Amino acid sequence: LAKTTQPISMDSYEGQEVNITCSHNNIATNDYITWYQQFPSQGPRFIIQGYKTKVTNEVASLFIPADRKSSTLSLPRVSLSDTAVYYCLVGARRGGGYNKLIFGAGTRLAVHP
Amino acid sequence: DSGVTQTPKHLITATGQRVTLRCSPRSGDLSVYWYQQSLDQGLQFLIQYYNGEERAKGNILERFSAQQFPDLHSELNLSSLELGDSALYFCASSTGGGGTDTQYFGPGTRLTVL
Repeated sequence: LAKTTQPISMDSYEGQEVNITCSHNNIATNDYITWYQQFPSQGPRFIIQGYKTKVTNEVASLFIPADRKSSTLSLPRVSLSDTAVYYCLVGARRGGGYNKLIFGAGTRLAVHP
Repeated sequence: DSGVTQTPKHLITATGQRVTLRCSPRSGDLSVYWYQQSLDQGLQFLIQYYNGEERAKGNILERFSAQQFPDLHSELNLSSLELGDSALYFCASSTGGGGTDTQYFGPGTRLTVL
């Protein structure tokens, strides 16, 4: 099983770019990397997913190096509303087999004025 | 609004009791997942069902059980409740059953065991 490791917390200021790195040394060939955002007392919300190189959407970018043992979620120009916990999840599309889903402990991002 | 509904929103009960949490997935989603989140803790995956069948199992206690019904809604049953079972219980749904499918989370059920 691919276990993930993230920093416990990060601080930033409004308007800055924030990069959160997730380590997943045991990632398997078929595993994808997915990031979720969670606000207090709410369910997590999908942000972005990728397999290799770079993926970008309207919210964030995801950078995955060639060895895929880590990934970096990049949030451009954060605002106060980006204060949340960010989870990195590694999982694969495994037809017919068990697929245990492991969220890491998450990174608590605090954005300051 | 993710389209996933969970009831009840809050539940307060006593130790030793049994409760049932209910989840209705998004329209068209076949997979339902259950997670437990204790205060200031990460998400602990409990169990996944896909189209009525158990697909994956996480750290679910023997006192807990779940099922997915033909209409695809799911119930999580928690019995012989202990103080430590107090937590937020989230349900999520996805279209397919694989680990790459985007999960859509419900608002959660907050369980308090006194």
